[in-house]
Amino acid sequence: GQSLEQPSEVTAVEGAIVQINCTYQTSGFYGLSWYQQHDGGAPTFLSYNALDGLEETGRFSSFLSRSDSYGYLLLQELQMKDSASYFCAVRATGTYKYIFGTGTRLKVLA
Amino acid sequence: DSGVTQTPKHLITATGQRVTLRCSPRSGDLSVYWYQQSLDQGLQFLIQYYNGEERAKGNILERFSAQQFPDLHSELNLSSLELGDSALYFCASSVGVDMETQYFGPGTRLLVL
Repeated sequence: GQSLEQPSEVTAVEGAIVQINCTYQTSGFYGLSWYQQHDGGAPTFLSYNALDGLEETGRFSSFLSRSDSYGYLLLQELQMKDSASYFCAVRATGTYKYIFGTGTRLKVLA
Repeated sequence: DSGVTQTPKHLITATGQRVTLRCSPRSGDLSVYWYQQSLDQGLQFLIQYYNGEERAKGNILERFSAQQFPDLHSELNLSSLELGDSALYFCASSVGVDMETQYFGPGTRLLVL
């Protein structure tokens, strides 16, 4: 089967750095995406890794290691507005299905 | 505002009924995706259309169907509704067939009583 596992919840304080992990079991995929979703809102795109390595977009960075079946989203200089759920996602090769991770709820404390 | 519109915002109906959810993609986007999100659950991919043709199918029930029209708007039809179909249904769009950046609409909240 194909699945992406994430920690259910992460808590950090304002100004800190937090890493949200995504481990996956899938036979093949095109790349790893990350989305943010605030309560009651729609998911918004954050980052995409087509290749292994680190991608940086402002305070957010994302990493992928296909050999380790692992990726992560790194959020720096945490702000209260970063409190949200974060999902990793892949598009499977062959079927082109999109698979989203179980989601991580991030709580940022003052 | 992502530029993707969905109607209606809320829908309350009874078991056994049929409903249609509508989505208009961002201007210029050719791909439309449908997702289901149950309470406190992740996103379940249902189906993708590209320029009117079905591109990929996820775990979409046989009671559900979708289509994309020549003007690129899409409709998701849910029939023989069950209590478990109560969920938030999102539509997303992207420029191309395999673009990884998807823009999500605000969603339609469906409640089946």
